[in-house]
Amino acid sequence: DAGITQSPRHKVTETGTPVTLRCHQTENHRYMYWYRQDPGHGLRLIHYSYGVKDTDKGEVSDGYSVSRSKTEDFLLTLESATSSQTSVYFCAARGPVSSGANVLTFGAGSRLTVL
Amino acid sequence: AQSVTQLGSHVSVSEGALVLLRCNYSSSVPPYLFWYVQYPNQGLQLLLKYTTGATLVKGINGFEAEFKKSETSFHLTKPSAHMSDAAEYFCAVSDRNFGNEKLTFGTGTRLTIIP
Repeated sequence: DAGITQSPRHKVTETGTPVTLRCHQTENHRYMYWYRQDPGHGLRLIHYSYGVKDTDKGEVSDGYSVSRSKTEDFLLTLESATSSQTSVYFCAARGPVSSGANVLTFGAGSRLTVL
Repeated sequence: AQSVTQLGSHVSVSEGALVLLRCNYSSSVPPYLFWYVQYPNQGLQLLLKYTTGATLVKGINGFEAEFKKSETSFHLTKPSAHMSDAAEYFCAVSDRNFGNEKLTFGTGTRLTIIP
């Protein structure tokens, strides 16, 4: 996984509670991404970051926020979890540089269940 | 806006038979195209990519794909299926713009290999 670690790998929570998922990378990648994977939808981009404190929204950003205070960590927060946010969340980073254009390396995923 | 369409959410082939997974893209500019594979309970791994040059691209595990601009297609093939090829496959597209680091994924095709 080119040094991309997601935590927690599994989480069960209740509706209305805050949840934070963490992505940690050791490759000094500039670009990082959060996707969610749902049956019939493939992967959809939630938020991405193009540098420390530089983030932008993806196609399904409602209900999510992100932060990137240092290069290696990209946090995804659900301020008040809802059942529609039950999903598998993948973090990805761009690189390595030698692999060329826009090649993403993915973490192993975080499975979130909101009851 | 760019998009990809994967025809067939489930494909079954016999071991030793040809694998053909279909992907059509929509992009207003020449795209970068990718195929990723996801094994159960894992993140996505890059199979192959097309950026420029030769339109027939070879990837890992004996897979290849051909970029056909006239058909806006990037179908994935493998001459002889192995049991280990059972996985979910995602086609993805991004703009030819290093300032735009976002990939758009298709909805995926689950490949089953029949012994």
